[in-house]
Amino acid sequence: GNSVTQMEGPVTLSEEAFLTINCTYTATGYPSLFWYVQYPGEGLQLLLKATKADDKGSNKGFEATYRKETTSFHLEKGSVQVSDSAVYFCALIIPINFNKFYFGSGTKLNVKP
Amino acid sequence: SQTIHQWPATLVQPVGSPLSLECTVEGTSNPNLYWYRQAAGRGLQLLFYSVGIGQISSEVPQNLSASRPQDRQFILSSKKLLLSDSGFYLCAWRGKEYSNQPQHFGDGTRLSIL
Repeated sequence: GNSVTQMEGPVTLSEEAFLTINCTYTATGYPSLFWYVQYPGEGLQLLLKATKADDKGSNKGFEATYRKETTSFHLEKGSVQVSDSAVYFCALIIPINFNKFYFGSGTKLNVKP
Repeated sequence: SQTIHQWPATLVQPVGSPLSLECTVEGTSNPNLYWYRQAAGRGLQLLFYSVGIGQISSEVPQNLSASRPQDRQFILSSKKLLLSDSGFYLCAWRGKEYSNQPQHFGDGTRLSIL
C-alpha cells in the first residue's frame, strides 16, 4: 500500500544547528511529495513540494530533494531558529488517486536558544 | 486569493450532546474538501472527503458524519458525542486544476468532551 514513514521525535537542536528530518515512502507509481509545518495550536501550512524525481523543493531556508532510488524526501535546513519549533509532516499523493493524501505521523522539532 | 474558514475555534461539549462543525472555502470553485482529526501529540486521521456537492467518502467508521450542502461548505456532525471524539479537527481543501496540487488547511477546531 501507500504510506509515509517519518523519524520519531522530538528532535531537539540548538539555534543555528543543522536540521535533517528523515522521510521515506512507499507508493504506487510516481507520487508527488510534500512537507507541511504545524505551529502550536494552528493548522498545517504547506512548506514545500516536489513532483518528480530529483526535483528539489525549497522555501524559507528549508530544502528537500525527491530521491526515487531511495524513496526518500528528507527535510533539511542549514541553520535553525527558535521560530522553527513546530511539528513537520511529510505527505504524498499518487497518480491514480489525487483525491487522497497520505501523511506521515509528524516529527516535532524543538529549537533551544 | 483562496481562504478557508473553520468555526468555532474551540468547543467544549458534554458526552452525548450533538455536534456541528462548519468549514467554508472562498475564492475557488468545485474544490475537494476534507475533514481530519488529530489527537493530542499525534498525526492526522482522515475522516471524510468530498469531491463534489453531496458526494462524501468515509474513511473511518465512527459516530461522525459529514455533509456538503453547497459547493464550498463542508459540515462535520454527530448526533451523540463520545469521550473519544475529543481532538483537534482540521478542514482542508484542494483544487483540481492540476493533478499534484497541495491541500490547504484551516486553523482547526479544538473539541473537548466532558
